[in-house]
Amino acid sequence: GDSVTQMEGPVTLSEEAFLTINCTYTATGYPSLFWYVQYPGEGLQLLLKATKADDKGSNKGFEATYRKETTSFHLEKGSVQVSDSAVYFCALRGQGGSEKLVFGKGTKLTVNP
Amino acid sequence: EAGVAQSPRYKIIEKRQSVAFWCNPISGHATLYWYQQILGQGPKLLIQFQNNGVVDDSQLPKDRFSAERLKGVDSTLKIQPAKLEDSAVYLCASSLAGSGGSREQFFGPGTRLTVL
Repeated sequence: GDSVTQMEGPVTLSEEAFLTINCTYTATGYPSLFWYVQYPGEGLQLLLKATKADDKGSNKGFEATYRKETTSFHLEKGSVQVSDSAVYFCALRGQGGSEKLVFGKGTKLTVNP
Repeated sequence: EAGVAQSPRYKIIEKRQSVAFWCNPISGHATLYWYQQILGQGPKLLIQFQNNGVVDDSQLPKDRFSAERLKGVDSTLKIQPAKLEDSAVYLCASSLAGSGGSREQFFGPGTRLTVL
């Protein structure tokens, strides 16, 4: 079945550091790919998405590119802020009728001032 | 626009007791989802409704979990009897879905269940 594997955390960075959180997936066909973020005490929020190969999703300075050849969707940000501290989840939605999201285990990011 | 509402936010029960969670989706959203998020893991879909019909309940432990969505709006998820391994956050999400609608899922704040 479909699955998502993402980088184990936790990740601790200093403010203005470069962030990469790796995500790879297993799925048939061409799934849609997502990054969700969960800030402390809040619900999951969609951060960015890409629906076809070579698409780049971007939001709030975060970017991720849908790489079909490597089945990857790595999350990057050039300069993190303390306010980016959260748990980040990579997810996919399979091709076809099902709307369900399949999530990775999440990566906790802490950014220190 | 109001978001997805869930209640209660926290619940502590003893094993073998029953518990129910409530979800009110965003107005007009036809599709409703219940996910289970165990500590340290990503959310896992339990059940998906399209209006008041079940689309996918393949991962719902039907011997103890049940869910309904009467009138295609609010939904209730019940566990009876609860086990220790049911301790988790239960997330409700909704989306417009269907033909022509946005498929983005909007999540509620979740209900944190602790089974002692």
